[in-house]
Amino acid sequence: EAQVTQNPRYLITVTGKKLTVTCSQNMNHEYMSWYRQDPGLGLRQIYYSMNVEVTDKGDVPEGYKVSRKEKRNFPLILESPSPNQTSLYFCASSPPPRGPNTEAFFGQGTRLTVV
Amino acid sequence: LAKTTQPISMDSYEGQEVNITCSHNNIATNDYITWYQQFPSQGPRFIIQGYKTKVTNEVASLFIPADRKSSTLSLPRVSLSDTAVYYCLNNNDMRFGAGTRLTVKP
Repeated sequence: EAQVTQNPRYLITVTGKKLTVTCSQNMNHEYMSWYRQDPGLGLRQIYYSMNVEVTDKGDVPEGYKVSRKEKRNFPLILESPSPNQTSLYFCASSPPPRGPNTEAFFGQGTRLTVV
Repeated sequence: LAKTTQPISMDSYEGQEVNITCSHNNIATNDYITWYQQFPSQGPRFIIQGYKTKVTNEVASLFIPADRKSSTLSLPRVSLSDTAVYYCLNNNDMRFGAGTRLTVKP
Protein backbone atom coordinates (compact mmCIF):
# COMPACT_ATOMS: atom_id res chain seq x y z
CA GLU A 1 0.00 0.00 0.00
CA ALA A 2 1.30 3.44 -0.97
CA GLN A 3 2.12 5.23 2.23
CA VAL A 4 3.76 8.26 3.80
CA THR A 5 4.41 7.64 7.48
CA GLN A 6 5.11 10.37 9.98
CA ASN A 7 6.18 9.94 13.58
CA PRO A 8 5.20 10.91 16.14
CA ARG A 9 1.55 11.80 15.57
CA TYR A 10 1.42 13.96 18.67
CA LEU A 11 4.21 15.66 20.55
CA ILE A 12 4.33 18.09 23.44
CA THR A 13 7.75 19.52 24.17
CA VAL A 14 9.41 22.41 25.93
CA THR A 15 11.05 25.44 24.43
CA GLY A 16 14.62 24.80 23.30
CA LYS A 17 14.59 21.01 23.41
CA LYS A 18 15.71 19.66 20.04
CA LEU A 19 13.30 17.34 18.30
CA THR A 20 12.99 15.42 15.06
CA VAL A 21 9.83 14.45 13.21
CA THR A 22 10.42 11.53 10.89
CA CYS A 23 8.85 10.99 7.48
CA SER A 24 9.17 7.90 5.35
CA GLN A 25 7.61 6.95 2.01
CA ASN A 26 7.45 3.60 0.21
CA MET A 27 6.74 4.78 -3.34
CA ASN A 28 10.30 5.55 -4.47
CA HIS A 29 9.31 9.17 -5.01
CA GLU A 30 11.99 11.71 -5.81
CA TYR A 31 10.15 14.74 -4.40
CA MET A 32 9.38 15.19 -0.72
CA SER A 33 8.26 18.22 1.24
CA TRP A 34 7.19 19.48 4.65
CA TYR A 35 4.29 21.79 5.43
CA ARG A 36 2.88 23.42 8.49
CA GLN A 37 -0.78 24.25 8.87
CA ASP A 38 -2.15 26.89 11.18
CA PRO A 39 -5.80 27.98 11.48
CA GLY A 40 -6.85 30.15 8.56
CA LEU A 41 -3.46 29.99 6.83
CA GLY A 42 -3.76 26.87 4.72
CA LEU A 43 -0.66 24.78 4.15
CA ARG A 44 2.66 26.59 4.07
CA GLN A 45 5.70 24.86 2.68
CA ILE A 46 8.71 24.68 4.99
CA TYR A 47 11.31 22.78 2.97
CA TYR A 48 11.33 20.51 -0.03
CA SER A 49 13.69 18.03 -1.62
CA MET A 50 13.92 17.20 -5.30
CA ASN A 51 16.07 14.11 -4.66
CA VAL A 52 18.69 12.63 -2.36
CA GLU A 53 21.06 15.28 -0.99
CA VAL A 54 19.05 18.04 -2.72
CA THR A 55 17.00 20.25 -0.40
CA ASP A 56 15.69 23.79 -0.66
CA LYS A 57 13.76 26.30 1.38
CA GLY A 58 10.05 26.75 1.04
CA ASP A 59 8.08 29.75 2.22
CA VAL A 60 8.62 29.41 5.99
CA PRO A 61 12.00 27.71 6.63
CA GLU A 62 13.15 29.73 9.65
CA GLY A 63 13.73 27.56 12.70
CA TYR A 64 13.71 24.28 10.77
CA LYS A 65 16.27 21.96 9.20
CA VAL A 66 15.88 18.94 6.97
CA SER A 67 18.07 16.25 5.51
CA ARG A 68 17.67 13.79 2.65
CA LYS A 69 20.33 11.12 3.01
CA GLU A 70 18.12 8.38 1.61
CA LYS A 71 15.34 8.56 -0.94
CA ARG A 72 12.65 7.23 1.37
CA ASN A 73 13.31 9.43 4.43
CA PHE A 74 12.98 13.17 4.93
CA PRO A 75 13.19 14.13 8.62
CA LEU A 76 12.23 17.57 9.91
CA ILE A 77 14.49 18.90 12.64
CA LEU A 78 13.71 21.66 15.10
CA GLU A 79 17.01 22.51 16.77
CA SER A 80 15.51 24.88 19.33
CA PRO A 81 11.73 24.80 19.20
CA SER A 82 9.75 27.85 20.20
CA PRO A 83 6.04 28.27 20.99
CA ASN A 84 5.40 29.86 17.58
CA GLN A 85 6.27 26.51 16.01
CA THR A 86 3.23 24.96 17.64
CA SER A 87 1.35 23.70 14.62
CA LEU A 88 0.10 20.74 12.59
CA TYR A 89 2.83 19.39 10.32
CA PHE A 90 2.45 17.33 7.17
CA CYS A 91 5.00 15.49 5.09
CA ALA A 92 4.32 14.72 1.43
CA SER A 93 5.94 12.80 -1.39
CA SER A 94 5.36 12.68 -5.14
CA PRO A 95 7.09 12.16 -8.46
CA PRO A 96 8.84 15.34 -9.69
CA PRO A 97 6.04 17.93 -9.63
CA ARG A 98 6.38 18.99 -13.26
CA GLY A 99 4.44 17.05 -15.85
CA PRO A 100 1.49 14.65 -15.62
CA ASN A 101 0.77 11.92 -13.09
CA THR A 102 2.23 13.87 -10.21
CA GLU A 103 -0.21 12.99 -7.45
CA ALA A 104 1.21 13.85 -4.03
CA PHE A 105 0.65 11.61 -1.03
CA PHE A 106 0.51 13.06 2.46
CA GLY A 107 1.27 11.67 5.86
CA GLN A 108 -1.23 11.56 8.72
CA GLY A 109 0.14 14.70 10.28
CA THR A 110 2.08 15.52 13.44
CA ARG A 111 0.49 17.81 15.97
CA LEU A 112 3.30 19.61 17.79
CA THR A 113 2.86 21.74 20.89
CA VAL A 114 5.81 23.72 22.23
CA VAL A 115 5.34 25.09 25.75
CA LEU B 1 6.53 32.06 -7.34
CA ALA B 2 3.45 30.43 -8.82
CA LYS B 3 0.34 31.62 -7.07
CA THR B 4 -3.32 30.73 -7.20
CA THR B 5 -6.41 32.60 -6.04
CA GLN B 6 -9.67 30.99 -5.03
CA PRO B 7 -12.72 31.95 -2.93
CA ILE B 8 -12.29 31.58 0.81
CA SER B 9 -15.56 29.77 1.35
CA MET B 10 -18.67 28.42 -0.36
CA ASP B 11 -21.93 26.94 0.85
CA SER B 12 -24.08 24.40 -0.94
CA TYR B 13 -26.87 21.91 -0.29
CA GLU B 14 -26.93 18.18 -0.65
CA GLY B 15 -27.58 17.01 -4.20
CA GLN B 16 -26.43 20.22 -5.87
CA GLU B 17 -23.54 20.61 -8.28
CA VAL B 18 -20.71 22.74 -6.91
CA ASN B 19 -18.22 24.63 -9.05
CA ILE B 20 -15.10 26.10 -7.46
CA THR B 21 -13.03 28.38 -9.65
CA CYS B 22 -9.35 29.12 -9.25
CA SER B 23 -7.19 31.77 -10.90
CA HIS B 24 -3.75 30.56 -11.91
CA ASN B 25 -1.47 33.55 -12.01
CA ASN B 26 1.88 33.07 -13.74
CA ILE B 27 1.15 29.50 -14.71
CA ALA B 28 4.06 28.14 -16.72
CA THR B 29 3.71 26.41 -20.07
CA ASN B 30 4.54 22.99 -18.68
CA ASP B 31 2.60 23.32 -15.41
CA TYR B 32 -0.25 20.97 -14.72
CA ILE B 33 -3.21 22.08 -12.61
CA THR B 34 -4.07 19.92 -9.63
CA TRP B 35 -6.83 19.96 -7.04
CA TYR B 36 -6.71 18.47 -3.55
CA GLN B 37 -9.32 17.89 -0.83
CA GLN B 38 -8.59 18.14 2.89
CA PHE B 39 -10.70 17.08 5.85
CA PRO B 40 -9.94 18.47 9.34
CA SER B 41 -6.73 17.14 10.87
CA GLN B 42 -5.99 14.96 7.82
CA GLY B 43 -3.47 15.39 5.04
CA PRO B 44 -4.74 16.64 1.67
CA ARG B 45 -5.91 14.04 -0.79
CA PHE B 46 -5.51 14.23 -4.58
CA ILE B 47 -8.77 14.77 -6.50
CA ILE B 48 -7.95 15.51 -10.11
CA GLN B 49 -5.27 16.90 -12.41
CA GLY B 50 -5.32 18.35 -15.92
CA TYR B 51 -3.46 20.44 -18.44
CA LYS B 52 -6.23 21.88 -20.63
CA THR B 53 -9.85 21.34 -21.73
CA LYS B 54 -11.81 18.90 -19.60
CA VAL B 55 -10.82 15.99 -17.40
CA THR B 56 -13.30 13.75 -15.60
CA ASN B 57 -12.84 11.00 -13.08
CA GLU B 58 -15.14 9.13 -10.72
CA VAL B 59 -15.42 12.00 -8.23
CA ALA B 60 -15.04 15.28 -10.13
CA SER B 61 -14.54 17.14 -13.38
CA LEU B 62 -11.92 19.75 -14.10
CA PHE B 63 -12.42 22.44 -16.71
CA ILE B 64 -9.44 24.42 -17.99
CA PRO B 65 -9.93 27.09 -20.68
CA ALA B 66 -7.54 27.53 -23.57
CA ASP B 67 -5.60 30.36 -21.93
CA ARG B 68 -5.12 28.23 -18.76
CA LYS B 69 -5.42 31.28 -16.51
CA SER B 70 -8.20 29.64 -14.54
CA SER B 71 -9.63 26.26 -13.71
CA THR B 72 -12.98 25.08 -12.36
CA LEU B 73 -13.45 22.05 -10.17
CA SER B 74 -16.95 20.62 -10.56
CA LEU B 75 -18.38 18.29 -7.91
CA PRO B 76 -21.64 16.68 -9.07
CA ARG B 77 -24.42 16.09 -6.55
CA VAL B 78 -22.51 16.89 -3.37
CA SER B 79 -23.23 15.18 -0.09
CA LEU B 80 -22.54 16.17 3.52
CA SER B 81 -19.29 14.20 3.36
CA ASP B 82 -17.95 16.57 0.69
CA THR B 83 -17.65 19.29 3.34
CA ALA B 84 -13.91 20.00 3.27
CA VAL B 85 -11.26 22.48 2.14
CA TYR B 86 -10.35 22.34 -1.55
CA TYR B 87 -7.00 23.55 -2.89
CA CYS B 88 -5.90 24.30 -6.43
CA LEU B 89 -2.22 24.27 -7.39
CA ASN B 90 0.05 25.11 -10.25
CA ASN B 91 1.83 21.82 -9.96
CA ASN B 92 5.38 23.02 -10.47
CA ASP B 93 6.12 24.09 -6.92
CA MET B 94 3.56 22.33 -4.70
CA ARG B 95 2.68 25.53 -2.86
CA PHE B 96 -0.83 25.52 -1.41
CA GLY B 97 -2.85 28.64 -0.82
CA ALA B 98 -5.53 29.03 1.85
CA GLY B 99 -8.01 26.91 -0.11
CA THR B 100 -11.79 27.10 -0.40
CA ARG B 101 -13.81 25.88 2.56
CA LEU B 102 -16.90 24.14 1.14
CA THR B 103 -19.79 23.54 3.52
CA VAL B 104 -22.56 21.24 2.33
CA LYS B 105 -25.84 21.65 4.22
CA PRO B 106 -28.71 19.17 4.45
